[in-house]
Amino acid sequence: AQSVTQPDIHITVSEGASLELRCNYSYGATPYLFWYVQSPGQGLQLLLKYFSGDTLVQGIKGFEAEFKRSQSSFNLRKPSVHWSDAAEYFCAVLLSGGYNKLIFGAGTRLAVHP
Amino acid sequence: DGGITQSPKYLFRKEGQNVTLSCEQNLNHDAMYWYRQDPGQGLRLIYYSQIVNDFQKGDIAEGYSVSREKKESFPLTVTSAQKNPTAFYLCASRNIGVGLAGNEQFFGPGTRLTVL
Repeated sequence: AQSVTQPDIHITVSEGASLELRCNYSYGATPYLFWYVQSPGQGLQLLLKYFSGDTLVQGIKGFEAEFKRSQSSFNLRKPSVHWSDAAEYFCAVLLSGGYNKLIFGAGTRLAVHP
Repeated sequence: DGGITQSPKYLFRKEGQNVTLSCEQNLNHDAMYWYRQDPGQGLRLIYYSQIVNDFQKGDIAEGYSVSREKKESFPLTVTSAQKNPTAFYLCASRNIGVGLAGNEQFFGPGTRLTVL
Protein backbone atom coordinates (compact mmCIF):
# COMPACT_ATOMS: atom_id res chain seq x y z
CA ALA A 1 0.00 0.00 0.00
CA GLN A 2 1.08 3.55 -0.61
CA SER A 3 2.50 5.29 2.44
CA VAL A 4 4.74 8.09 3.64
CA THR A 5 7.03 7.77 6.64
CA GLN A 6 8.57 10.63 8.53
CA PRO A 7 10.81 8.88 11.05
CA ASP A 8 11.37 11.89 13.30
CA ILE A 9 8.37 13.06 15.31
CA HIS A 10 10.25 15.92 16.99
CA ILE A 11 13.52 17.63 16.07
CA THR A 12 15.25 20.42 17.92
CA VAL A 13 18.00 22.49 16.37
CA SER A 14 19.83 25.65 17.33
CA GLU A 15 19.23 28.79 15.33
CA GLY A 16 21.78 29.00 12.52
CA ALA A 17 22.35 25.25 12.42
CA SER A 18 21.60 23.14 9.38
CA LEU A 19 18.47 21.04 9.15
CA GLU A 20 17.46 17.83 7.44
CA LEU A 21 13.98 16.34 7.78
CA ARG A 22 13.58 12.82 6.51
CA CYS A 23 10.81 11.46 4.34
CA ASN A 24 10.46 7.98 2.85
CA TYR A 25 7.62 6.94 0.59
CA SER A 26 6.20 3.73 -0.72
CA TYR A 27 4.62 4.05 -4.14
CA GLY A 28 4.96 1.86 -7.20
CA ALA A 29 4.73 4.49 -9.90
CA THR A 30 6.71 7.68 -10.47
CA PRO A 31 5.92 9.79 -7.42
CA TYR A 32 4.84 13.37 -7.24
CA LEU A 33 6.17 14.60 -3.89
CA PHE A 34 5.44 17.59 -1.70
CA TRP A 35 6.63 19.23 1.48
CA TYR A 36 4.18 21.42 3.41
CA VAL A 37 4.71 23.52 6.52
CA GLN A 38 2.11 24.26 9.18
CA SER A 39 2.35 26.88 11.89
CA PRO A 40 0.28 26.21 15.04
CA GLY A 41 -3.43 26.51 14.38
CA GLN A 42 -2.92 27.36 10.73
CA GLY A 43 -3.43 25.72 7.37
CA LEU A 44 -0.73 24.09 5.27
CA GLN A 45 1.63 26.10 3.09
CA LEU A 46 3.47 24.46 0.23
CA LEU A 47 7.26 24.64 0.59
CA LEU A 48 8.24 22.78 -2.56
CA LYS A 49 7.23 20.00 -4.90
CA TYR A 50 8.82 17.42 -7.17
CA PHE A 51 7.14 16.25 -10.33
CA SER A 52 10.02 15.34 -12.63
CA GLY A 53 13.38 16.54 -13.90
CA ASP A 54 16.12 17.83 -11.63
CA THR A 55 16.11 15.78 -8.45
CA LEU A 56 17.18 18.74 -6.32
CA VAL A 57 14.29 21.15 -6.00
CA GLN A 58 14.30 24.59 -4.49
CA GLY A 59 11.43 25.95 -2.49
CA ILE A 60 10.38 28.97 -0.54
CA LYS A 61 12.01 30.27 2.65
CA GLY A 62 15.41 28.85 1.66
CA PHE A 63 14.35 25.20 1.76
CA GLU A 64 15.41 22.53 -0.72
CA ALA A 65 14.70 18.84 -1.09
CA GLU A 66 16.38 16.02 -2.93
CA PHE A 67 14.50 13.16 -4.56
CA LYS A 68 16.41 9.87 -4.43
CA ARG A 69 14.55 7.15 -6.27
CA SER A 70 16.94 4.40 -5.17
CA GLN A 71 16.26 5.20 -1.53
CA SER A 72 12.57 6.15 -1.97
CA SER A 73 13.37 9.35 -0.13
CA PHE A 74 12.58 13.03 -0.42
CA ASN A 75 14.46 14.72 2.42
CA LEU A 76 14.00 18.40 3.19
CA ARG A 77 17.04 20.55 3.98
CA LYS A 78 17.91 24.06 5.02
CA PRO A 79 21.50 25.24 5.52
CA SER A 80 20.76 27.72 8.31
CA VAL A 81 17.59 27.58 10.39
CA HIS A 82 15.82 30.70 11.63
CA TRP A 83 13.64 30.87 14.75
CA SER A 84 10.65 31.50 12.50
CA ASP A 85 11.10 28.04 10.95
CA ALA A 86 9.69 26.43 14.09
CA ALA A 87 6.58 24.64 12.85
CA GLU A 88 5.32 21.23 11.80
CA TYR A 89 6.44 19.83 8.47
CA PHE A 90 4.55 17.31 6.39
CA CYS A 91 5.77 15.23 3.48
CA ALA A 92 3.16 13.95 1.04
CA VAL A 93 2.99 11.75 -2.05
CA LEU A 94 0.35 12.19 -4.72
CA LEU A 95 -1.50 9.22 -6.11
CA SER A 96 -1.91 10.52 -9.62
CA GLY A 97 -4.94 9.79 -11.72
CA GLY A 98 -8.46 9.58 -10.47
CA TYR A 99 -9.12 12.14 -7.79
CA ASN A 100 -5.57 13.22 -7.08
CA LYS A 101 -5.23 11.79 -3.57
CA LEU A 102 -2.49 13.04 -1.28
CA ILE A 103 -1.00 10.61 1.23
CA PHE A 104 0.58 12.47 4.15
CA GLY A 105 3.24 11.48 6.60
CA ALA A 106 2.55 11.95 10.30
CA GLY A 107 4.63 15.12 10.40
CA THR A 108 7.82 16.32 12.08
CA ARG A 109 7.61 19.05 14.67
CA LEU A 110 10.61 21.36 14.56
CA ALA A 111 11.72 23.40 17.55
CA VAL A 112 14.42 26.04 17.21
CA HIS A 113 16.59 27.08 20.16
CA PRO A 114 18.03 30.59 20.18
CA ASP B 1 -6.62 38.14 -3.21
CA GLY B 2 -7.70 34.67 -4.19
CA GLY B 3 -7.78 32.01 -1.59
CA ILE B 4 -9.72 29.59 0.57
CA THR B 5 -11.68 30.68 3.60
CA GLN B 6 -12.95 28.45 6.34
CA SER B 7 -15.34 29.47 9.03
CA PRO B 8 -15.58 29.52 11.90
CA LYS B 9 -12.00 29.22 13.12
CA TYR B 10 -13.12 27.63 16.39
CA LEU B 11 -16.32 25.66 16.88
CA PHE B 12 -17.76 24.04 19.95
CA ARG B 13 -20.49 21.45 19.84
CA LYS B 14 -22.38 19.41 22.36
CA GLU B 15 -22.50 15.68 21.92
CA GLY B 16 -25.40 14.58 19.75
CA GLN B 17 -25.53 17.77 17.69
CA ASN B 18 -24.77 18.12 14.01
CA VAL B 19 -22.51 20.97 12.97
CA THR B 20 -21.56 22.39 9.57
CA LEU B 21 -18.13 23.72 8.66
CA SER B 22 -17.88 26.21 5.86
CA CYS B 23 -15.32 26.19 3.03
CA GLU B 24 -15.33 28.79 0.27
CA GLN B 25 -12.78 29.36 -2.47
CA ASN B 26 -12.49 32.13 -5.05
CA LEU B 27 -9.69 30.48 -7.00
CA ASN B 28 -12.11 29.08 -9.58
CA HIS B 29 -10.81 25.61 -8.75
CA ASP B 30 -12.75 22.59 -9.86
CA ALA B 31 -11.84 20.11 -7.13
CA MET B 32 -12.28 20.51 -3.40
CA TYR B 33 -11.28 18.32 -0.48
CA TRP B 34 -11.90 17.91 3.24
CA TYR B 35 -9.22 16.55 5.54
CA ARG B 36 -9.16 15.75 9.21
CA GLN B 37 -6.00 16.29 11.23
CA ASP B 38 -5.27 14.63 14.57
CA PRO B 39 -2.04 14.96 16.52
CA GLY B 40 0.60 12.53 15.30
CA GLN B 41 -1.50 11.25 12.40
CA GLY B 42 -0.99 13.71 9.60
CA LEU B 43 -4.01 14.48 7.43
CA ARG B 44 -6.68 12.00 6.40
CA LEU B 45 -9.12 12.49 3.55
CA ILE B 46 -12.81 12.69 4.45
CA TYR B 47 -14.54 13.66 1.19
CA TYR B 48 -13.64 15.13 -2.16
CA SER B 49 -15.47 16.65 -5.08
CA GLN B 50 -14.25 17.21 -8.61
CA ILE B 51 -17.35 18.86 -10.01
CA VAL B 52 -20.53 20.52 -8.86
CA ASN B 53 -23.21 18.13 -7.63
CA ASP B 54 -20.77 15.25 -7.38
CA PHE B 55 -18.61 14.09 -4.49
CA GLN B 56 -16.92 10.91 -3.31
CA LYS B 57 -16.02 9.39 0.03
CA GLY B 58 -12.45 9.44 1.16
CA ASP B 59 -10.78 7.20 3.71
CA ILE B 60 -12.74 8.28 6.80
CA ALA B 61 -16.17 9.42 5.56
CA GLU B 62 -18.26 7.70 8.24
CA GLY B 63 -20.16 10.24 10.32
CA TYR B 64 -19.64 13.06 7.84
CA SER B 65 -21.64 14.46 4.92
CA VAL B 66 -20.97 17.09 2.27
CA SER B 67 -22.66 18.96 -0.54
CA ARG B 68 -21.36 20.72 -3.64
CA GLU B 69 -24.15 22.91 -4.96
CA LYS B 70 -21.80 25.67 -6.11
CA LYS B 71 -18.29 25.49 -7.54
CA GLU B 72 -16.90 27.79 -4.88
CA SER B 73 -18.46 26.12 -1.83
CA PHE B 74 -17.98 22.71 -0.22
CA PRO B 75 -19.51 22.60 3.29
CA LEU B 76 -18.84 19.67 5.62
CA THR B 77 -21.40 18.47 8.15
CA VAL B 78 -20.16 16.55 11.14
CA THR B 79 -23.05 14.43 12.28
CA SER B 80 -23.83 12.89 15.64
CA ALA B 81 -22.80 9.55 14.14
CA GLN B 82 -19.14 10.62 14.14
CA LYS B 83 -17.78 8.97 17.29
CA ASN B 84 -14.78 11.17 17.87
CA PRO B 85 -15.28 14.46 16.06
CA THR B 86 -12.88 16.66 18.03
CA ALA B 87 -10.15 17.51 15.53
CA PHE B 88 -8.73 20.15 13.22
CA TYR B 89 -10.47 20.22 9.83
CA LEU B 90 -8.79 21.47 6.69
CA CYS B 91 -10.34 22.25 3.34
CA ALA B 92 -8.31 22.24 0.12
CA SER B 93 -8.83 22.86 -3.56
CA ARG B 94 -7.03 22.36 -6.84
CA ASN B 95 -7.42 23.32 -10.46
CA ILE B 96 -8.04 20.38 -12.76
CA GLY B 97 -6.84 20.30 -16.34
CA VAL B 98 -3.83 22.60 -16.13
CA GLY B 99 -1.13 19.99 -16.52
CA LEU B 100 1.30 19.31 -13.71
CA ALA B 101 0.30 22.49 -11.90
CA GLY B 102 -3.08 20.92 -11.32
CA ASN B 103 -1.49 18.42 -8.97
CA GLU B 104 -0.98 21.02 -6.28
CA GLN B 105 -3.61 21.36 -3.57
CA PHE B 106 -4.11 24.68 -1.82
CA PHE B 107 -5.24 24.66 1.80
CA GLY B 108 -7.50 26.87 3.88
CA PRO B 109 -6.65 28.02 7.43
CA GLY B 110 -8.68 25.28 9.11
CA THR B 111 -11.46 24.96 11.68
CA ARG B 112 -10.87 23.49 15.10
CA LEU B 113 -13.91 21.58 16.30
CA THR B 114 -14.27 20.66 19.94
CA VAL B 115 -17.06 18.46 21.20
CA LEU B 116 -18.01 19.19 24.78
